[in-house]
Amino acid sequence: SQKIEQNSEALNIQEGKTATLTCNYTNYSPAYLQWYRQDPGRGPVFLLLIRENEKEKRKERLKVTFDTTLKQSLFHITASQPADSATYLCALWMDSSYKLIFGSGTRLLVRP
Amino acid sequence: GAGVSQSPSNKVTEKGKDVELRCDPISGHTALYWYRQSLGQGLEFLIYFQGNSAPDKSGLPSDRFSAERTGGSVSTLTIQRTQQEDSAVYLCASSRTGGGQPQHFGDGTRLSIL
Repeated sequence: SQKIEQNSEALNIQEGKTATLTCNYTNYSPAYLQWYRQDPGRGPVFLLLIRENEKEKRKERLKVTFDTTLKQSLFHITASQPADSATYLCALWMDSSYKLIFGSGTRLLVRP
Repeated sequence: GAGVSQSPSNKVTEKGKDVELRCDPISGHTALYWYRQSLGQGLEFLIYFQGNSAPDKSGLPSDRFSAERTGGSVSTLTIQRTQQEDSAVYLCASSRTGGGQPQHFGDGTRLSIL
C-alpha cells in the first residue's frame, strides 16, 4: 500500500540546536517533494520544494534533502528558535495523478 | 486580495442541513484545490480545478459533496444532507499553474455538525 510517514511524536529541542524532521514514503514515485509549515488554526504555508533529480535544497536556515533510493526526505532547521515551533508537513507531488499527497505532519517544539 | 480567502471561517450546523463553503483564490492563479483536514491528521485531497474544469473529482467522499468554480476564480464546495463525520476543517489552496507548483492555502472553514 502507499504510505507517507512522518514522526507522530512531537520533536522537542533546545533553542539554537538543529531540528531534523523525517519524511518516508512507500510505493510512490513523486516528481517533487514539498515541505509546509502549519500553525494552529491556520492553513499550511509553503516552505521548500525539491525535485526528484535534486539531492539538496537550502533556503536561509532551512535545508531539505531528497533520497529517491531510500524514499526519504530530511528537513533541517538550523539555529532553531521558539518561533519555529509549529507542525511541519511533507507532501509528494504525483505527476501521474496530478495530486499533492500530504503526510500527517510532525510537531516541532523549540524550548527557549 | 493578497492571499487565499475562505468563508465562513466557522460554521456550525445541524445534521441533515446543506452547507456551502466559499474560496476566493489569489488573483491570476489558474489551479484551485480543496482539502479536508480532520483533527491531528494530514490533508485529504478532495477536488482540483484547472480554470473552471474539474479534471479530478476522485477525492470527493460521497455524492453529497460537489464543487464548482466560476469565472476561473471563486469556488464553492457544497455538502448536502450533512453528517457528523463531515465535521472537519475544509482548506482551499491555489497555485499559479498546476503541475506541482507551490500551493497557497487559506485558513480554512471549520465545520461542525451537531
